[in-house]
Amino acid sequence: KAGVTQTPRYLIKTRGQQVTLSCSPISGHRSVSWYQQTPGQGLQFLFEYFSETQRNKGNFPGRFSGRQFSNSRSEMNVSTLELGDSALYLCASSGDRGYEQYFGPGTRLTVT
Amino acid sequence: KQEVTQIPAALSVPEGENLVLNCSFTDSAIYNLQWFRQDPGKGLTSLLLIQSSQREQTSGRLNASLDKSSGRSTLYIAASQPGDSATYLCAVSLLSGGYNKLIFGAGTRLAVHP
Repeated sequence: KAGVTQTPRYLIKTRGQQVTLSCSPISGHRSVSWYQQTPGQGLQFLFEYFSETQRNKGNFPGRFSGRQFSNSRSEMNVSTLELGDSALYLCASSGDRGYEQYFGPGTRLTVT
Repeated sequence: KQEVTQIPAALSVPEGENLVLNCSFTDSAIYNLQWFRQDPGKGLTSLLLIQSSQREQTSGRLNASLDKSSGRSTLYIAASQPGDSATYLCAVSLLSGGYNKLIFGAGTRLAVHP
C-alpha cells in the first residue's frame, strides 16, 4: 500500500505571494490533517478534513486554509506569505477518529 | 490547555544500551497516545499507538507504556543501534479535541554511537 504523498517537496516563495500544497492520503483513508513544524514552535496542528468537510481547526490565522476533494486528496493554501511561514508542512492521514495517523514526507516552504 | 513535555531533550548513548524516553501530559482526558520517530528533514514515522484503555504496546525492540492517571508515557528501546538515531516525538489526542488533533511534545533527540 502506498504511503502518504506530498507535493511539492520543496518550495521557495517571496513575501506576499500565495502557495498551495497538496497531500494524497493512504488509499481508503478519509481523514487528512495538516501540521506546521518550525524550530521555535515545534509541531502545531493546522486543521483536519474528513469527507470533504473541515472537522477540526487549530489556532492559525485565516490566511491558512484548506480543502478536501471527493477522492480524499487535500490541498492547503497560504495567502499573503510572511517570513514566519517558513516551515516544514506535514500532512497525516488516518482511517477515522482516533486511528493511527500516518505522515507524509512533508513540504519544505521557504519564504524570502 | 494540554501540554506535552518530553525528557530528556537530548540523549547520547553507546550502542547496545537499553534506554527510556519519557513523555508527560497535563490533561489525562486523552483518547490515545502515539510515539513517532523523525529523521532530520523528513516526515514522521509512526512507532506505536496506545489507546487510553491500554497500558502498553510492543513492537520489536520498542515498548511503550501509558499511565493515564499520572499523565505519563515511556518509550523503552532495547539494545539500541546506530540506526535508532533520530528525534522521538510523543503526541496525544484529546477526547475533547476531535480525536485526530495531535498535540506534540518537543521531542527527544537520540544519538547512538558505535
